[in-house]
Amino acid sequence: QVQLVQSGVEVKKPGASVKVSCEASGYTFTSYTIIWVRQAPGQGLEWMGWISGYNGNTNYARNLQGRVTMATDTSTSTAFMELRGLRYDDTAVYYCARVRGGYYYYIDVWGNGTTVTVSS
Amino acid sequence: EVVLTQSPGTLSLSPGERATLSCRASQFVNNNYLAWYQQKPGQTPRLLIYGTSNRATGIPDRFSGSGSGTDFTLTISRLEPEDFGVYYCQQYNSSPVWTFGQGTKVEIK
Repeated sequence: QVQLVQSGVEVKKPGASVKVSCEASGYTFTSYTIIWVRQAPGQGLEWMGWISGYNGNTNYARNLQGRVTMATDTSTSTAFMELRGLRYDDTAVYYCARVRGGYYYYIDVWGNGTTVTVSS
Repeated sequence: EVVLTQSPGTLSLSPGERATLSCRASQFVNNNYLAWYQQKPGQTPRLLIYGTSNRATGIPDRFSGSGSGTDFTLTISRLEPEDFGVYYCQQYNSSPVWTFGQGTKVEIK
């Protein structure tokens, strides 16, 4: 079945970087876009950006531009999200998710989430 | 950027009652690009409705979506105990930017 499996828990110090991976299986990776969403403790969902599995094109949320980079490795059907200059308010669960696009646009499959804690 | 405002913040209802959740956009949203998700504590979000009114696979018919332009509604016709959780609306536009509403928490009395 379609799955997105993310890398494990991360604990980082302020100012450090974190790289989260998202391995896709059960579908043709290059046919879909991957979106990244984060959720701070007790808060709602925040869109971070997306990357095309087809050509690697990206679009980042304005508030994260300059700190976030998304990439893919089509040979392993894996997407990556790197966030630099971590701050305390970057503490969150980070999700990758698959986008169904075309006539409709929505998220149909979510990764299992990666908890990132920023702490000194 | 399109801002989605959901109301009410919290809805506390008894099983069997009707729940009406609102999602208002700051700008026009294409009906095909409006979706709703349910999230229970400790779980990932689950797609309920896409394209404003289309139920996702396996979603019971007590869930329905409606609306157009800037006003959208998720209705749960008869609440079941398992319907507790936080509900989010989401839109996509051609910028291309995605946004989520801040969520409505549904509590079962």
